[in-house]
Amino acid sequence: RKEVEQDPGPFNVPEGATVAFNCTYSNSASQSFFWYRQDCRKEPKLLMSVYSSGNEDGRFTAQLNRASQYISLLIRDSKLSDSATYLCVVTSSKIIFGSGTRLSIRP
Amino acid sequence: SQTIHQWPATLVQPVGSPLSLECTVEGTSNPNLYWYRQAAGRGLQLLFYSVGIGQISSEVPQNLSASRPQDRQFILSSKKLLLSDSGFYLCACPPTSGRGDTQYFGPGTRLTVL
Repeated sequence: RKEVEQDPGPFNVPEGATVAFNCTYSNSASQSFFWYRQDCRKEPKLLMSVYSSGNEDGRFTAQLNRASQYISLLIRDSKLSDSATYLCVVTSSKIIFGSGTRLSIRP
Repeated sequence: SQTIHQWPATLVQPVGSPLSLECTVEGTSNPNLYWYRQAAGRGLQLLFYSVGIGQISSEVPQNLSASRPQDRQFILSSKKLLLSDSGFYLCACPPTSGRGDTQYFGPGTRLTVL
């Protein structure tokens, strides 16, 4: 089993839709959780941290479920500019990146 | 905040040729530095990390090596490239502001081995 798993997608949704995707992790001792965004042929950039209580940043909401060992990212009112690959990151003694979920927003 | 420079931006090399990729960091001192590789359709794989000059830790066995000759310089090398070395190579360090358990990435070098 991979340490961090994501549905590779692609998720193809219309502009204005709400989209959500999950990431599961195998190490129950994982301490920190993040979502990164990676545009095509660019480096990943930190999108947001994920806290146990859940956190929101504008149209983006991240949640952590420690019991089931997954984190989620919800994007509301999606924009064309949200098209990217979203990487899940889990840290314990090391930083583990998921292989990413591709999101494509269509007009 | 820091800035990471990587060059070259893109590279096409024949199998068996040598490789040298360079990463330099500005705006921070004595950073932990990391080399990652992202193969097509796959996640980021940590290759090497360094906590200081001359200190290199390797995460996976491979035909690549790394060196840190200066505080803010991190070099990735190979004597003989393999087809499987193709990928997107990213240099990273923790951000100077924000959480230390995150990574700030350079723009990357896209390597194609033919």
